[in-house]
Amino acid sequence: GAVVSQHPSWVICKSGTSVKIECRSLDFQATTMFWYRQFPKQSLMLMATSNEGSKATYEQGVEKDKFLINHASLTLSTLTVTSAHPEDSSFYICSASGTSGIEQYFGPGTRLTVT
Amino acid sequence: KQEVTQIPAALSVPEGENLVLNCSFTDSAIYNLQWFRQDPGKGLTSLLLIQSSQREQTSGRLNASLDKSSGRSTLYIAASQPGDSATYLCAVFNDYKLSFGAGTTVTVRA
Repeated sequence: GAVVSQHPSWVICKSGTSVKIECRSLDFQATTMFWYRQFPKQSLMLMATSNEGSKATYEQGVEKDKFLINHASLTLSTLTVTSAHPEDSSFYICSASGTSGIEQYFGPGTRLTVT
Repeated sequence: KQEVTQIPAALSVPEGENLVLNCSFTDSAIYNLQWFRQDPGKGLTSLLLIQSSQREQTSGRLNASLDKSSGRSTLYIAASQPGDSATYLCAVFNDYKLSFGAGTTVTVRA
C-alpha cells in the first residue's frame, strides 16, 4: 500500500514553454502533498506544501507565479512550471501523506530538462 | 531553521564490511526521523522511520538509532553487499515538514 505515482517520468521542453507534472496517490487519500526539487549531487529541497482544496504554501525563495500547484482532489496534485528556463532543469519529486500526517510517501520523480 | 548534516559525504567499503552512516540535526524538537535510500536518477525508498519517543528501529540488516537530545542519528548496515550501493538520505520532520540532509553516497566493492 501507500503508492504514489508521478507522470511523466521525464520531460524535455523548450525554453519559454510550460510543463505540467502530475502526482497521484494510488491507494490512499492524500490530505497533504509536498513538492520537492533536487539538483544534481544535492539533497531534496521542499518547494511547497498543499492541502486538498486549499492554496499551496510556498517555501521562501520559491516563486509561486512560476511554480503553480493545484491540489484539486484527495488523490491528485499538479505542479506546472510556467515559462520554463534552463535553470529550472531539475529532478522534481512529490510526496503525499494521509490523515495521520506522520509519514510521507514519495513518488518516483520527474526529470525535467529545459533546452 | 532546521539544518541536517550527513557525514561522510561518500564512503567506499569492501563487501562484507559493516557500514556506519551519521546524521545530525540542529533543532531537537522533531516529530520523527526517517532514513531513505536513493538510487541514481530514481526516487526515494523509505528504509526506517523512528518516532521521537523511540531510540531505535531495526529492519533486517539495517538498524537506526536516534538520540534526540544530542541531535544525532546513526544508520548501521551489517554485512554490506554490492546491492547496498546507493545514496542514503536522512530527514527529520518538524514544523510540519521534512528537512533533508545532503546524503551519504555508499559504494560497496565486490
